[in-house]
Amino acid sequence: DTGVSQNPRHKITKRGQNVTFRCDPISEHNRLYWYRQTLGQGPEFLTYFQNEAQLEKSRLLSDRFSAERPKGSFSTLEIQRTEQGDSAMYLCASSFLADIPNTGELFFGEGSRLTVL
Amino acid sequence: AQSVTQLDSQVPVFEEAPVELRCNYSSSVSVYLFWYVQYPNQGLQLLLKYLSGSTLVKGINGFEAEFNKSQTSFHLRKPSVHISDTAEYFCAVSDYDGTASKLTFGTGTRLQVTL
Repeated sequence: DTGVSQNPRHKITKRGQNVTFRCDPISEHNRLYWYRQTLGQGPEFLTYFQNEAQLEKSRLLSDRFSAERPKGSFSTLEIQRTEQGDSAMYLCASSFLADIPNTGELFFGEGSRLTVL
Repeated sequence: AQSVTQLDSQVPVFEEAPVELRCNYSSSVSVYLFWYVQYPNQGLQLLLKYLSGSTLVKGINGFEAEFNKSQTSFHLRKPSVHISDTAEYFCAVSDYDGTASKLTFGTGTRLQVTL
């Protein structure tokens, strides 16, 4: 199966520590998205890449958050100086943008759950 | 900007009964609409999507949804649910302008199917 893969699946950390999540998208997909999902809420958009270019960032993405996709393949999401409010599921998704209008269908990974103590 | 409202946070239903999960959206442009399902400890899986054409869309696992432009709704239905349909269901909307970059999700509806 070559779906979207996220690691680690679970991360428990102490407040103030840095954490990094990795996402490997479906190999032919050129768009990669990060979403955050808190308990009882729907996923909220954080940022997305087209190939290696980061094209949009949500206001939810504070300066403690940084995302990269250096070679247009996998992506990392780093959270510096974690706070308890950062506790959430971080979802990665990918899609393929062709010449036709983007239908917006995303393929999601299983997520990385962060718990900040 | 788009927004999605899922009117019911939880829907309890008995097995083999019909179910409808409601979704309303707002957008200043034409939209693509989606329903995703999330089983416990899993990622989101696409159930069905409306892009254009027939307003009645059929998806996986016997689900269907009807796009109603005048009521800005995209309700999800299944005539007879199964225990295995217990999950969280999310309605989502995407831009139509060809530069679509993201989905906007509703807050989700928890479908609880019991015997």
